[in-house]
Amino acid sequence: KAGVTQTPRYLIKTRGQQVTLSCSPISGHRSVSWYQQTPGQGLQFLFEYFSETQRNKGNFPGRFSGRQFSNSRSEMNVSTLELGDSALYLCASSLGGNQGYTFGSGTRLTVV
Amino acid sequence: DAKTTQPNSMESNEEEPVHLPCNHSTISGTDYIHWYRQLPSQGPEYVIHGLTSNVNNRMASLAIAEDRKSSTLILHRATLRDAAVYYCILRDSNNAGNMLTFGGGTRLMVKP
Repeated sequence: KAGVTQTPRYLIKTRGQQVTLSCSPISGHRSVSWYQQTPGQGLQFLFEYFSETQRNKGNFPGRFSGRQFSNSRSEMNVSTLELGDSALYLCASSLGGNQGYTFGSGTRLTVV
Repeated sequence: DAKTTQPNSMESNEEEPVHLPCNHSTISGTDYIHWYRQLPSQGPEYVIHGLTSNVNNRMASLAIAEDRKSSTLILHRATLRDAAVYYCILRDSNNAGNMLTFGGGTRLMVKP
């Protein structure tokens, strides 16, 4: 059974650019969440989607957005990149309810 | 989500049991206790979760205090591959838009 797949694994962008990260959840998982991990702030929740609807959103500026497609695949977008957006972005999928989340290996974004 | 308190770090010897404590004195009746771990250069990995009763799976055991204000993750025989940051997280089963609120976790070091 394939795990959660995130692409790309590494990305270097320039300040002011925008970026789109992709996440393919485990087959059958309808809940997809995104997290940002930095050395200073640790793991922080960005947003969660279930059946193409955003159910929950973390405390991040509007430059961070996401969406989920009918096949449960999800993308997150960051516009007008800032140096502080450099981080590991993790996607996690779940069947929903109280089941555990399966995380991908993440996309490491570096903004220069 | 209610907060959890964990020691910053712990050390263990290989092949010995490890007891990782977590305090959650403000836990509510609908909060599940989840444990995740994050190995170096990987995304978090689900370990175990429970509500009131002790739980066992192939990875670990979860012992929950009778008043639910604390819990302990038990690794029965630590291996070098168990060296990771372990996160204790409370998830409200009433919240449809589930998210994981990560604290600092406990960094487990395993000595050969």
